[in-house]
Amino acid sequence: AQRVTQPEKLLSVFKGAPVELKCNYSYSGSPELFWYVQYSRQRLQLLLRHISRESIKGFTADLNKGETSFHLKKPFAQEEDSAMYYCALSGTGNQFYFGTGTSLTVIP
Amino acid sequence: KAGVTQTPRYLIKTRGQQVTLSCSPISGHRSVSWYQQTPGQGLQFLFEYFSETQRNKGNFPGRFSGRQFSNSRSEMNVSTLELGDSALYLCASSLGDRAQETQYFGPGTRLLVL
Repeated sequence: AQRVTQPEKLLSVFKGAPVELKCNYSYSGSPELFWYVQYSRQRLQLLLRHISRESIKGFTADLNKGETSFHLKKPFAQEEDSAMYYCALSGTGNQFYFGTGTSLTVIP
Repeated sequence: KAGVTQTPRYLIKTRGQQVTLSCSPISGHRSVSWYQQTPGQGLQFLFEYFSETQRNKGNFPGRFSGRQFSNSRSEMNVSTLELGDSALYLCASSLGDRAQETQYFGPGTRLLVL
């Protein structure tokens, strides 16, 4: 069965510290993985997706097919990174599966 | 381009009533997906419509239904409301031509069932 797991509901880091938000998935085919972010009082928006291989706002994510993971990383956290982060998977159709989200707080 | 819009933004209903939510996608987008967002469950996929046809469906009871019009606007209906239906309902649109496209989300409709 398709599933996306984000083991941390809450994550706090100090400003300037590295941050890693974990995401593991299960899917039998070739999924596309995404990270979506929701800042306070804003709508859910795409942060990055695997196929683009971009670094957005200093964040990167590497797809590890062996470990079925797509962890989100940033070397130096900023206060404006405080938000809710969702890992998502899209299979062969247009159906998305979202994790339950990780709330990131960056402490000044 | 204008973003995805949803109406109404807030709704209060009582158990047993029915409710209809509306979503207008980004111009040119033909796929509209609906999600239920709750604190405990996160985002759960309800269904996706493309060119007026339901293309994908999640694991929700038949009380949840939807439709899409020729202009790609979509409505979602929930009949016989239950307390557990209280949630934020999000719609998202995409071009729909290919699989695994980026979805663009609306602000959501917050439904409270009393």
